[in-house]
Amino acid sequence: AQSVTQPDIHITVSEGASLELRCNYSYGATPYLFWYVQSPGQGLQLLLKYFSGDTLVQGIKGFEAEFKRSQSSFNLRKPSVHWSDAAEYFCAVAAGGGGNKLTFGTGTQLKVEL
Amino acid sequence: EPEVTQTPSHQVTQMGQEVILRCVPISNHLYFYWYRQILGQKVEFLVSFYNNEISEKSEIFDDQFSVERPDGSNFTLKIRSTKLEDSAMYFCASSLRQIQETQYFGPGTRLLVL
Repeated sequence: AQSVTQPDIHITVSEGASLELRCNYSYGATPYLFWYVQSPGQGLQLLLKYFSGDTLVQGIKGFEAEFKRSQSSFNLRKPSVHWSDAAEYFCAVAAGGGGNKLTFGTGTQLKVEL
Repeated sequence: EPEVTQTPSHQVTQMGQEVILRCVPISNHLYFYWYRQILGQKVEFLVSFYNNEISEKSEIFDDQFSVERPDGSNFTLKIRSTKLEDSAMYFCASSLRQIQETQYFGPGTRLLVL
């Protein structure tokens, strides 16, 4: 069964600083990987996804993520964080086949200091 | 931009009562999902649905839960006899295809069981 680990529960960065949120997955075959963001009281919005091809994927709001098969990682990055990026970020993996369910990590709460 | 909608946004119910959570998926999507997020925990898969059948369900999705697509637009989750531990945010999602496809999430229904 697939699983996702987000080792950082909380991260605080200053506005304008760079950001990296870590995500490690466990899945036997090629995974489909996603990053979602959840603002307070809101639903889940897709930031970016990786299915195949170029291992560096670009998403919305200036985010990018890099798939590293050798490290089973899919870390999310942003070169310069804005105060509006404060939210909870979830990494998720889909196995494909069957119902294509998403398995989520526990999330990383991002706080941005002005 | 098309979006998934959910009603109600909040529901309070007494333990043992039946609740129905409603979702309107994106109109041309074929695959439908329910997830839940207990406060402070990660988002968990409940069930996926395609062609009027359950494709996959988790161990959480026991006999107290059922899903239905009663017409061409709505997708419902019914909890027959609610328990305190059913209190959570319930998210509906939909996707166009099964494989290599983004799931689009609704804003969620906050269910509180007293």
